[in-house]
Amino acid sequence: GDSVTQMEGPVTLSEEAFLTINCTYTATGYPSLFWYVQYPGEGLQLLLKATKADDKGSNKGFEATYRKETTSFHLEKGSVQVSDSAVYFCALSLIYNQGGKLIFGQGTELSVKP
Amino acid sequence: EAGVVQSPRYKIIEKKQPVAFWCNPISGHNTLYWYLQNLGQGPELLIRYENEEAVDDSQLPKDRFSAERLKGVDSTLKIQPAELGDSAVYLCASSSLAGGGNEQFFGPGTRLTVL
Repeated sequence: GDSVTQMEGPVTLSEEAFLTINCTYTATGYPSLFWYVQYPGEGLQLLLKATKADDKGSNKGFEATYRKETTSFHLEKGSVQVSDSAVYFCALSLIYNQGGKLIFGQGTELSVKP
Repeated sequence: EAGVVQSPRYKIIEKKQPVAFWCNPISGHNTLYWYLQNLGQGPELLIRYENEEAVDDSQLPKDRFSAERLKGVDSTLKIQPAELGDSAVYLCASSSLAGGGNEQFFGPGTRLTVL
């Protein structure tokens, strides 16, 4: 079935370090891909998205490129801040523009130390 | 613009008791979702509404869970009776087809503890 696999956390980095959180997917069709972030005590927020192969989503210094050949959507940031500490979820949807459900990975907790 | 509103934020009940969660989506969003998030895991869809119609409830445990979305706006998710394994966070989300489809906006969730 359709699924998303993320690297396990927690990931602990020092401020200004480079971040990569790996995400790979399995899908029967051509999914749209998303990264959501969940800050402590808050709901999920969309961080970025990509709807077709080779698209790059970006927001707040985070980037991810839709790689169809490797079925991956890795999240990267060049210089993390303490305020980036949160749980990051990779997700896919197979019915873009029709309100389809999201299938999430298990989440990766990021902790950034000053 | 107000976001997705959920209440209560926290609920503690004893097993076998009933419980209900309420969700008010973003104004104008015709699609509403209920997700279940267990500790340390990603959310999983329970039910999706298009207006007042439940179009995907395949993952809803219908023996104890029920949901409704009267008038295609607010929604209520109910569990009766609750079991220990129901302890989790229940998330509501909404989206607007007119707004580009599948970007879903999430509420803060209701954290349920069953004792």
